[in-house]
Amino acid sequence: SQQGEEDPQALSIQEGENATMNCSYKTSINNLQWYRQNSGRGLVHLILIRSNEREKHSGRLRVTLDTSKKSSSLLITASRAADTASYFCGASGSRLTFGEGTQLTVNP
Amino acid sequence: GAVVSQHPSRVICKSGTSVKIECRSLDFQATTMFWYRQFPKQSLMLMATSNEGSKATYEQGVEKDKFLINHASLTLSTLTVTSAHPEDSSFYICSANPAGGLTYEQYFGPGTRLTVT
Repeated sequence: SQQGEEDPQALSIQEGENATMNCSYKTSINNLQWYRQNSGRGLVHLILIRSNEREKHSGRLRVTLDTSKKSSSLLITASRAADTASYFCGASGSRLTFGEGTQLTVNP
Repeated sequence: GAVVSQHPSRVICKSGTSVKIECRSLDFQATTMFWYRQFPKQSLMLMATSNEGSKATYEQGVEKDKFLINHASLTLSTLTVTSAHPEDSSFYICSANPAGGLTYEQYFGPGTRLTVT
């Protein structure tokens, strides 16, 4: 299968709380990317972490990468209702392979 | 920069007809474009990789005679769903890799919702 796994599949939190999503992948990678998708829309690139990096920050986003466990996490701090979307990780090796995605709902 | 458009955004067609979806890189040249399919509440599945001026490479299980891909220029790739059936109803997303860009660098279009009745 070309798919990795993400958990949780769905996450519902209150505005202001932090949201953590996890992703596992199966192949060797050069980097891992996180994307956001609003319902019925294309993917928006959020952040990229290279295989030799362990942690990266961008605004309210924090990404970690553990290549020994083939896993990554995305933390969104101080969530807002506008963060409601699906979030996918994309593991980039010989190709870009997407995880199953996490549907995040941030309640106002 | 790095904008990718798709046309149409939504299309409804009758079973047995063919539908063409366009993917354009608006402000860059793309040597490689990718076509993905996404079912509701599921992830993106790569269907095929198209390189300008050559035949597309299809993923296992994707019928190349049903999903015709043409990458005739550095800014345009088209996906034609031939003899569409209701099970082809899905969200189709393309992405483009800039010429001279890094291999993992993909910019995604907004997607096309296909409904076959």
